[in-house]
Amino acid sequence: QVQLQESGPGLVKPSETLSLTCTVSGGSISSYYWSWIRQPAGKGLEWIGRIYTSGSTNYNPSLKSRVTMSVDTSKNQFSLKLSSVTAADTAVYYCARDRQGYATGDYWGQGTLVTVSS
Amino acid sequence: AIQLTQSPSSLSASVGDRVTITCRASQGISSALAWYQQKPGKAPKLLIYDASSLESGVPSRFSGSGSGTDFTLTISSLQPEDFATYYCQQFNNYPITFGPGTKVDIK
Repeated sequence: QVQLQESGPGLVKPSETLSLTCTVSGGSISSYYWSWIRQPAGKGLEWIGRIYTSGSTNYNPSLKSRVTMSVDTSKNQFSLKLSSVTAADTAVYYCARDRQGYATGDYWGQGTLVTVSS
Repeated sequence: AIQLTQSPSSLSASVGDRVTITCRASQGISSALAWYQQKPGKAPKLLIYDASSLESGVPSRFSGSGSGTDFTLTISSLQPEDFATYYCQQFNNYPITFGPGTKVDIK
C-alpha cells in the first residue's frame, strides 16, 4: 500500500522560504507524477504544481515565480519550496501521487499545517 | 484558467436519499474531470476520474457522468459515512483547478 508523508517546519516567518518534503513508502516514486495541493483553513483546494520523476515540472501560474519542486528518486522523496511567503500562504499542504495517465491524486499524504507568522 | 462552479454549495439530505451534485466548467474539458470526497481534518479521497470511471475500492453507489462543460456526481443511496464535502477537479488544462466544493450534511 502506497503511503505518503509530508514533513517540514510548521511555522515559517514572513518573507522566508517554506520547505516541505514528501516521503513515499510502499511503492516506487519512479514513473509517476507527484503533486502538491494546499488548503487554507475552511477554504477550498488549490493546486500548486506537479513534478515527474524525470524532474519535469508544471506550476500554477499564480505561484510560479515563487515555487520550486524537486525529486530525489534515491530517497523516494519529492520536495516543495515556496519563497517570500506571507500570511496568505498559511494552509494545510498535501502531497499526492497522480494516477497514471491522469492528473488526479489517487494517494494523498495526511497533510501538514504550515503557518506563516512572525 | 478554467473555472469550475458547483451546485448546490451545500445540501441537507437523509440516509437513503439520492443525491446529485453538478459541476460546470467555464470551457470544454472533454472528460478530464475528477470527483473527490473530503471529511473534516482528512485528505481528499478520489472517487471518480475521467468523468465516469470509478476509482478502485469506491462503493458502486457513487457514479459520475458528463463531458464537455457539464458534469454530475450521483450518490444513489446516501450512507452515514457519505456526509462530507465533495470537490470536482479538471485536469484538461494547466493550471489544474478545483471547484469550490459542495457540503453534504444530515437533514
